[in-house]
Amino acid sequence: QVQLVQSGAEVKKPGASVKVSCKASGYTFTSYGISWVRQAPGQGLEWMGWISAYNGNTNYAQKLQGRVTMTTDTSTSTAYMELRSLRSDDTAVYYCARELTGDHAFDIWGQGTMVTVSS
Amino acid sequence: QSALTQPASVSGSPGQSITISCTGTSSDVGGYNYVSWYQQHPGKAPKLMIYDVSNRPSGVSNRFSGSKSGNTASLTISGLQAEDEADYYCSSYTSSSTPDVVFGGGTKLTVL
Repeated sequence: QVQLVQSGAEVKKPGASVKVSCKASGYTFTSYGISWVRQAPGQGLEWMGWISAYNGNTNYAQKLQGRVTMTTDTSTSTAYMELRSLRSDDTAVYYCARELTGDHAFDIWGQGTMVTVSS
Repeated sequence: QSALTQPASVSGSPGQSITISCTGTSSDVGGYNYVSWYQQHPGKAPKLMIYDVSNRPSGVSNRFSGSKSGNTASLTISGLQAEDEADYYCSSYTSSSTPDVVFGGGTKLTVL
C-alpha cells in the first residue's frame, strides 16, 4: 500500500543538526512532491517547506530559510529534511507528507519523528 | 498565532451535526479554492478529510463535507459518532509569500 515511513526519534543538543528521512513506497515517487510539517508538543501544525521529487525544486517557509534543507534520493524513493542550529523551540514531531499535485493538500502522511532539543 | 482562525473547541451529541469554521483573508482562503481539512487523533498523524474546499478523498465518509463563503471555510460533520472526536485543522494555499501553505490553530471536537 501507499505509505511513507520515517526514521526514528532523535535527541539533540542546542546548536546541533538533525536529518530526518522519509521512505516512500507503493507509488511512483517522482510523480508527487513531499512537504514537511511539524507539530510542537500540544500545539498546531506548521508547514516547513516542500520539495519536488521530480526535479528537486524546493520552497521553504521564510522563518526557516537558511536553517533547513530538503533533499530527495530517487534511487531509494527517500526524502530527507535537515534542520541546523537547533533550538529548544524546534522540539516537535516532524511529519513528511505527500502533496496532491496542484492542490496543496497532503493525502499520505508519515508516522512522525519526534525531535527533542535539550541540553 | 496561526494564520487561519478556528474555534478552539466545539462539541455535539451523537447523531447531531456540527460545523467548524476557518477564517482567513483574501490572500488565502478567500482567494483560492485550495482549502483542506485534516483530522488528527491523539498521538497519530493527521488524516486528509477534505481538499479543494469540498472534495472528499476516497474512503472518507460522506458525513464530512466542506464549503466556503468569502474568507471563511467550513467543515460540517453530520451524524456525529464517537470516533469523530479528534482535533481538526484547516489549511489553505496562501499567496502572501512563503510559507505557501498555512494552517489553522486547530479545533478540538468533543462528542458528548
